Amino acid sequence: GENVEQHPSTLSVQEGDSAVIKCTYSDSASNYFPWYKQELGKRPQLIIDIRSNVGEKKDQRIAVTLNKTAKHFSLHITETQPEDSAVYFCAASNDYKLSFGAGTTVTVRA
Amino acid sequence: DAGVTQSPTHLIKTRGQQVTLRCSPKSGHDTVSWYQQALGQGPHFIFQYYEEEERQRGNFPDRFSGHQFPNYSSELNVNALLLGDSALYLCASRWGSSYNSPLHFGNGTRLTVT
Repeated sequence: GENVEQHPSTLSVQEGDSAVIKCTYSDSASNYFPWYKQELGKRPQLIIDIRSNVGEKKDQRIAVTLNKTAKHFSLHITETQPEDSAVYFCAASNDYKLSFGAGTTVTVRA
Repeated sequence: DAGVTQSPTHLIKTRGQQVTLRCSPKSGHDTVSWYQQALGQGPHFIFQYYEEEERQRGNFPDRFSGHQFPNYSSELNVNALLLGDSALYLCASRWGSSYNSPLHFGNGTRLTVT
């Protein structure tokens, strides 16, 4: 089955700096890669997703890149703000289920 | 427009007991999936229901079963509870059975087995 690895497990950044989270996947058939943000005690919320026919996608301060050859994808958050503090999960899917990474706890220091 | 709703929010059970968790999908969604999220981990896929049938299943034992009703709501049942079943159980819904539409999660049910 699909195996998704996510790094780093924790990330502390100064407000205004950028944050980068990297994920690798094992199943070359995976074609859909969403990112979820989960605040303490709340539901995972989809923040951005990318499909395998696209190399990069951007939504305001958030961007995701995908390298299918290397089987890795990354989340970039620019101009970080305190409200960006949360756990971020990457996931990969080739059809019906999502396989998640273990999560990255992002702390934005004021 | 209500999102995915789950009940109860918290539950405490004793080892060996049985539990039923409930989920109502987001309006317009017809597919429901269940995920187990242990503390400090990412969610793990349990199974997916579409058109009232279990369509796909993850690596979970038969103690985990479910049901989908004609109104698309769903239940997750866990029998013979083990301490290791303690986790956050997330219900997620979307329209259609494949990942052409995004998955939306509920707030989850926190299950504690003592």
